[in-house]
Amino acid sequence: QQQVKQSPQSLIVQKGGISIINCAYENTAFDYFPWYQQFPGKGPALLIAIRPDVSEKKEGRFTISFNKSAKQFSLHIMDSQPGDSATYFCAASTWANNLFFGTGTRLTVIP
Amino acid sequence: GAGVSQSPRYKVAKRGQDVALRCDPISGHVSLFWYQQALGQGPEFLTYFQNEAQLDKSGLPSDRFFAERPEGSVSTLKIQRTQQEDSAVYLCASSLRGPSYNEQFFGPGTRLTVL
Repeated sequence: QQQVKQSPQSLIVQKGGISIINCAYENTAFDYFPWYQQFPGKGPALLIAIRPDVSEKKEGRFTISFNKSAKQFSLHIMDSQPGDSATYFCAASTWANNLFFGTGTRLTVIP
Repeated sequence: GAGVSQSPRYKVAKRGQDVALRCDPISGHVSLFWYQQALGQGPEFLTYFQNEAQLDKSGLPSDRFFAERPEGSVSTLKIQRTQQEDSAVYLCASSLRGPSYNEQFFGPGTRLTVL
Protein backbone atom coordinates (compact mmCIF):
# COMPACT_ATOMS: atom_id res chain seq x y z
CA GLN A 1 0.00 0.00 0.00
CA GLN A 2 1.35 3.39 -1.02
CA GLN A 3 2.15 5.30 2.17
CA VAL A 4 2.30 8.66 0.39
CA LYS A 5 0.01 9.50 -2.53
CA GLN A 6 1.17 12.12 -5.02
CA SER A 7 -0.58 13.99 -7.83
CA PRO A 8 -0.52 14.87 -10.62
CA GLN A 9 1.62 12.30 -12.39
CA SER A 10 2.75 14.90 -14.92
CA LEU A 11 2.49 18.66 -15.17
CA ILE A 12 3.16 21.14 -17.96
CA VAL A 13 3.55 24.80 -17.03
CA GLN A 14 4.47 27.90 -18.99
CA LYS A 15 7.64 29.75 -18.03
CA GLY A 16 6.83 32.19 -15.24
CA GLY A 17 3.81 30.21 -14.08
CA ILE A 18 3.14 28.46 -10.79
CA SER A 19 3.65 24.71 -10.48
CA ILE A 20 1.66 22.94 -7.77
CA ILE A 21 2.17 19.33 -6.70
CA ASN A 22 0.07 17.69 -4.02
CA CYS A 23 0.67 14.83 -1.60
CA ALA A 24 -1.39 13.04 1.03
CA TYR A 25 -0.50 10.57 3.74
CA GLU A 26 -2.31 8.38 6.27
CA ASN A 27 0.29 7.52 8.90
CA THR A 28 -0.02 10.12 11.66
CA ALA A 29 3.39 9.04 12.98
CA PHE A 30 5.05 10.81 10.04
CA ASP A 31 6.66 14.01 11.23
CA TYR A 32 9.14 14.98 8.55
CA PHE A 33 8.08 15.85 5.00
CA PRO A 34 10.82 16.52 2.42
CA TRP A 35 10.56 17.19 -1.28
CA TYR A 36 13.18 15.81 -3.64
CA GLN A 37 14.08 16.86 -7.18
CA GLN A 38 15.47 14.29 -9.59
CA PHE A 39 17.00 14.88 -13.01
CA PRO A 40 17.39 12.00 -15.50
CA GLY A 41 20.34 9.79 -14.64
CA LYS A 42 20.83 11.42 -11.25
CA GLY A 43 19.86 10.56 -7.73
CA PRO A 44 17.18 12.57 -5.91
CA ALA A 45 18.37 15.79 -4.28
CA LEU A 46 16.67 17.45 -1.31
CA LEU A 47 14.82 20.60 -2.33
CA ILE A 48 12.99 21.69 0.80
CA ALA A 49 11.54 20.01 3.89
CA ILE A 50 8.99 20.78 6.59
CA ARG A 51 7.96 19.46 9.99
CA PRO A 52 4.32 19.52 11.12
CA ASP A 53 4.77 22.24 13.71
CA VAL A 54 4.57 24.86 10.94
CA SER A 55 2.01 25.28 8.16
CA GLU A 56 4.28 26.81 5.55
CA LYS A 57 7.95 27.01 4.67
CA LYS A 58 9.44 29.11 1.90
CA GLU A 59 12.89 28.94 0.36
CA GLY A 60 13.35 31.18 -2.64
CA ARG A 61 10.83 30.23 -5.31
CA PHE A 62 9.85 27.00 -3.50
CA THR A 63 7.13 26.84 -0.84
CA ILE A 64 5.72 23.90 1.10
CA SER A 65 2.20 24.23 2.45
CA PHE A 66 1.27 21.74 5.15
CA ASN A 67 -2.22 20.88 6.45
CA LYS A 68 -1.86 18.58 9.44
CA SER A 69 -5.59 18.02 9.99
CA ALA A 70 -6.12 17.02 6.37
CA LYS A 71 -2.83 15.06 6.25
CA GLN A 72 -1.87 16.83 3.06
CA PHE A 73 1.07 18.86 1.91
CA SER A 74 1.98 20.53 -1.33
CA LEU A 75 4.90 22.07 -3.19
CA HIS A 76 4.50 25.38 -4.97
CA ILE A 77 7.12 26.52 -7.46
CA MET A 78 6.73 30.21 -8.22
CA ASP A 79 8.00 31.79 -11.45
CA SER A 80 8.70 28.33 -12.90
CA GLN A 81 11.74 28.14 -15.17
CA PRO A 82 12.75 25.63 -17.88
CA GLY A 83 15.61 24.56 -15.59
CA ASP A 84 12.98 23.38 -13.08
CA SER A 85 11.93 20.65 -15.52
CA ALA A 86 12.54 17.45 -13.56
CA THR A 87 10.70 14.80 -11.57
CA TYR A 88 9.62 15.83 -8.09
CA PHE A 89 9.00 13.42 -5.25
CA CYS A 90 7.32 14.12 -1.96
CA ALA A 91 8.30 11.91 0.94
CA ALA A 92 7.53 11.34 4.58
CA SER A 93 9.29 9.76 7.50
CA THR A 94 9.28 9.32 11.22
CA TRP A 95 12.22 10.12 13.47
CA ALA A 96 13.80 6.83 12.37
CA ASN A 97 14.63 8.45 9.07
CA ASN A 98 13.36 5.77 6.68
CA LEU A 99 11.80 7.75 3.81
CA PHE A 100 8.53 6.78 2.13
CA PHE A 101 8.32 8.38 -1.31
CA GLY A 102 5.38 9.35 -3.49
CA THR A 103 5.20 8.11 -7.06
CA GLY A 104 6.62 11.31 -8.54
CA THR A 105 5.48 14.20 -10.73
CA ARG A 106 7.21 14.89 -14.01
CA LEU A 107 7.28 18.67 -14.44
CA THR A 108 7.88 20.26 -17.83
CA VAL A 109 8.26 24.02 -18.00
CA ILE A 110 7.72 25.36 -21.50
CA PRO A 111 9.83 28.40 -22.49
CA GLY B 1 34.58 13.80 -4.87
CA ALA B 2 32.45 14.93 -1.97
CA GLY B 3 29.23 13.14 -2.88
CA VAL B 4 27.92 9.58 -2.62
CA SER B 5 29.34 7.39 -5.34
CA GLN B 6 28.00 4.10 -6.66
CA SER B 7 29.48 1.49 -8.94
CA PRO B 8 28.90 0.17 -11.43
CA ARG B 9 26.57 2.77 -12.91
CA TYR B 10 25.06 0.17 -15.23
CA LYS B 11 24.90 -3.59 -14.86
CA VAL B 12 23.37 -6.12 -17.21
CA ALA B 13 22.91 -9.60 -15.80
CA LYS B 14 21.48 -12.79 -17.15
CA ARG B 15 18.65 -14.27 -15.14
CA GLY B 16 20.10 -16.43 -12.39
CA GLN B 17 23.39 -14.55 -12.08
CA ASP B 18 24.58 -13.00 -8.82
CA VAL B 19 25.38 -9.26 -8.76
CA ALA B 20 27.12 -6.96 -6.29
CA LEU B 21 26.47 -3.24 -6.17
CA ARG B 22 28.82 -0.90 -4.32
CA CYS B 23 28.14 2.32 -2.45
CA ASP B 24 30.75 4.77 -1.16
CA PRO B 25 29.00 7.16 1.23
CA ILE B 26 30.12 10.66 2.11
CA SER B 27 33.06 10.43 4.49
CA GLY B 28 31.97 10.58 8.11
CA HIS B 29 28.32 9.82 7.42
CA VAL B 30 27.00 7.41 10.01
CA SER B 31 23.78 6.33 8.34
CA LEU B 32 23.50 4.53 5.01
CA PHE B 33 20.34 3.56 3.16
CA TRP B 34 19.57 1.46 0.10
CA TYR B 35 16.50 2.12 -2.03
CA GLN B 36 15.08 0.44 -5.12
CA GLN B 37 13.54 2.66 -7.81
CA ALA B 38 11.47 0.94 -10.49
CA LEU B 39 10.96 2.74 -13.79
CA GLY B 40 8.58 5.66 -13.37
CA GLN B 41 8.20 5.12 -9.63
CA GLY B 42 9.50 6.65 -6.44
CA PRO B 43 12.36 5.05 -4.52
CA GLU B 44 11.37 2.29 -2.12
CA PHE B 45 13.31 1.59 1.06
CA LEU B 46 15.33 -1.62 1.22
CA THR B 47 17.63 -1.45 4.22
CA TYR B 48 19.38 0.88 6.68
CA PHE B 49 22.75 0.83 8.42
CA GLN B 50 24.01 2.86 11.31
CA ASN B 51 27.78 2.47 11.14
CA GLU B 52 28.30 -1.26 10.57
CA ALA B 53 25.04 -2.34 12.18
CA GLN B 54 22.14 -3.21 9.91
CA LEU B 55 19.25 -1.80 11.93
CA ASP B 56 16.41 -2.29 9.48
CA LYS B 57 16.14 -4.72 6.58
CA SER B 58 12.37 -4.80 6.41
CA GLY B 59 12.31 -3.57 2.81
CA LEU B 60 14.42 -6.32 1.29
CA PRO B 61 12.02 -8.09 -1.08
CA SER B 62 13.37 -11.60 -0.62
CA ASP B 63 16.18 -13.61 0.93
CA ARG B 64 18.02 -13.27 -2.38
CA PHE B 65 18.88 -9.72 -1.34
CA PHE B 66 21.70 -9.18 1.12
CA ALA B 67 23.48 -6.00 2.21
CA GLU B 68 26.57 -5.43 4.30
CA ARG B 69 28.69 -2.58 5.59
CA PRO B 70 31.46 -4.38 7.48
CA GLU B 71 33.62 -1.41 8.46
CA GLY B 72 30.92 1.19 8.73
CA SER B 73 31.87 2.92 5.49
CA VAL B 74 31.52 1.25 2.08
CA SER B 75 28.40 -0.87 1.60
CA THR B 76 27.60 -3.65 -0.82
CA LEU B 77 24.15 -4.78 -1.92
CA LYS B 78 24.21 -8.32 -3.25
CA ILE B 79 21.43 -9.93 -5.23
CA GLN B 80 21.62 -13.67 -5.73
CA ARG B 81 19.99 -15.58 -8.59
CA THR B 82 18.69 -12.39 -10.22
CA GLN B 83 15.19 -12.34 -11.66
CA GLN B 84 13.66 -10.03 -14.26
CA GLU B 85 11.61 -8.28 -11.58
CA ASP B 86 14.88 -7.18 -9.96
CA SER B 87 15.47 -4.80 -12.88
CA ALA B 88 15.50 -1.30 -11.37
CA VAL B 89 17.77 1.52 -10.31
CA TYR B 90 19.36 0.87 -6.93
CA LEU B 91 20.03 4.06 -5.00
CA CYS B 92 22.29 4.51 -2.03
CA ALA B 93 21.97 7.44 0.35
CA SER B 94 23.94 8.54 3.38
CA SER B 95 23.32 10.98 6.19
CA LEU B 96 25.45 12.52 8.87
CA ARG B 97 24.07 11.09 12.07
CA GLY B 98 21.86 8.33 13.37
CA PRO B 99 18.08 8.40 13.58
CA SER B 100 17.06 12.03 13.46
CA TYR B 101 15.99 14.53 10.86
CA ASN B 102 19.09 14.53 8.75
CA GLU B 103 19.21 15.17 5.04
CA GLN B 104 19.86 12.05 3.03
CA PHE B 105 22.34 12.56 0.19
CA PHE B 106 21.73 10.23 -2.73
CA GLY B 107 24.18 8.71 -5.14
CA PRO B 108 23.48 8.51 -8.89
CA GLY B 109 22.29 4.92 -8.63
CA THR B 110 23.13 1.66 -10.36
CA ARG B 111 20.78 0.70 -13.16
CA LEU B 112 20.38 -3.09 -13.11
CA THR B 113 18.87 -4.82 -16.11
CA VAL B 114 18.18 -8.55 -15.83
CA LEU B 115 17.69 -10.31 -19.15
